Amino acid sequence: DQQVKQNSPSLSVQEGRISILNCDYTNSMFDYFLWYKKYPAEGPTFLISISSIKDKNEDGRFTVFLNKSAKHLSLHIVPSQPGDSAVYFCAATDTGGFKTIFGAGTRLFVKA
Amino acid sequence: GAGVSQSPSNKVTEKGKDVELRCDPISGHTALYWYRQSLGQGLEFLIYFQGNSAPDKSGLPSDRFSAERTGGSVSTLTIQRTQQEDSAVYLCASSSSRQGINYGYTFGSGTRLTVV
Repeated sequence: DQQVKQNSPSLSVQEGRISILNCDYTNSMFDYFLWYKKYPAEGPTFLISISSIKDKNEDGRFTVFLNKSAKHLSLHIVPSQPGDSAVYFCAATDTGGFKTIFGAGTRLFVKA
Repeated sequence: GAGVSQSPSNKVTEKGKDVELRCDPISGHTALYWYRQSLGQGLEFLIYFQGNSAPDKSGLPSDRFSAERTGGSVSTLTIQRTQQEDSAVYLCASSSSRQGINYGYTFGSGTRLTVV
């Protein structure tokens, strides 16, 4: 039972353009959503999060949007840079829970 | 240390052998997690330790898997009688209690386990 789904295994974007990574979830009890970034041979690193009481959180070039009615969130990167090429994991935690559920990841390629 | 340290970074073992994977969390972090990532898959939760509380073992895939955390710091994940499907990258993460859940864990670089 995949509670957090990233349906696009990969995405290719031109440098300078916007990258949009999507994520869907099924558990309405999730109260925080997070995005992690992972380079090869390294562990994932935390990128940005959003509380379920908000619909947008912005940090520099990264913005996360949450649509609770659709159980959908997205990560926007603008402008995209070659160094953003990595695997991006969507993740979620539920109220009272102490573990994070991760999606399968989307590999982003930013072409120079 | 400054980050989460895992050892070994790579491990090749024969099917049926036991392996131990080690994790040194960030000093002072009370929460410690083990995840694994199989080829082409997302991060699969295995086990969670929080302070002196009983660990959440709900993600361990079989009774061949066990983990302990000694003195609230170093953790060891043990896989007995390894099988080829155990081949994966095993990731350890730590955080400062619940805050880490909402503001991110710090992951180690992982141990790549290959069972031949």
